[in-house]
Amino acid sequence: DQQVKQNSPSLSVQEGRISILNCDYTNSMFDYFLWYKKYPAEGPTFLISISSIKDKNEDGRFTVFLNKSAKHLSLHIVPSQPGDSAVYFCAASASTNAGKSTFGDGTTLTVKP
Amino acid sequence: EAGVVQSPRYKIIEKKQPVAFWCNPISGHNTLYWYRQNLGQGPELLIRYENEEAVDDSQLPKDRFSAERLKGVDSTLKIQPAELGDSAVYLCASSLGTGGVNTEAFFGQGTRLTVV
Repeated sequence: DQQVKQNSPSLSVQEGRISILNCDYTNSMFDYFLWYKKYPAEGPTFLISISSIKDKNEDGRFTVFLNKSAKHLSLHIVPSQPGDSAVYFCAASASTNAGKSTFGDGTTLTVKP
Repeated sequence: EAGVVQSPRYKIIEKKQPVAFWCNPISGHNTLYWYRQNLGQGPELLIRYENEEAVDDSQLPKDRFSAERLKGVDSTLKIQPAELGDSAVYLCASSLGTGGVNTEAFFGQGTRLTVV
């Protein structure tokens, strides 16, 4: 049973437009959520996170929204740039087991010039 | 500041042979993780260390996998004997601790293992 799901394996957007990547989770104990970006042949790099006490966190062009009742979070990238083309992983952890992050399978974002 | 360093980057071995991976975490990071990433999937935690202690090894296949973190710094992950299904990317990561912002992990480039 996959506790963190990214249902869109891929997403293609035009440069300058908004990219929206979605993530759903099933474990109600999750209270901290992270997004990582991964380029080919590199390890994942932390991008942005959000605690369950918030519903929005913004960092420059990146904003993460959390809807706890729907067990859904999304990452918005505005405006999208070709350098944003990468695989994006959603991860979740519970404070009762804070060292364990459960990852989704990733969404490959392609930003076309 | 140096990031998480892993070696080797790539390894091809025959099934039933042993293999070992090495990881040097970011200086000062007490928590070290080993993840396995299969093609098209996200990383899955194999083992987590807090300093020298393995605090979560519930996902480590203990019949053939072993790990150690001597002196609470570098770590090695070993597979003996390797099976075809072990082909994957093995990622090492470290963090300051756990909980909240400390959950944010820094990953190495990974070791791509191919078992033939």
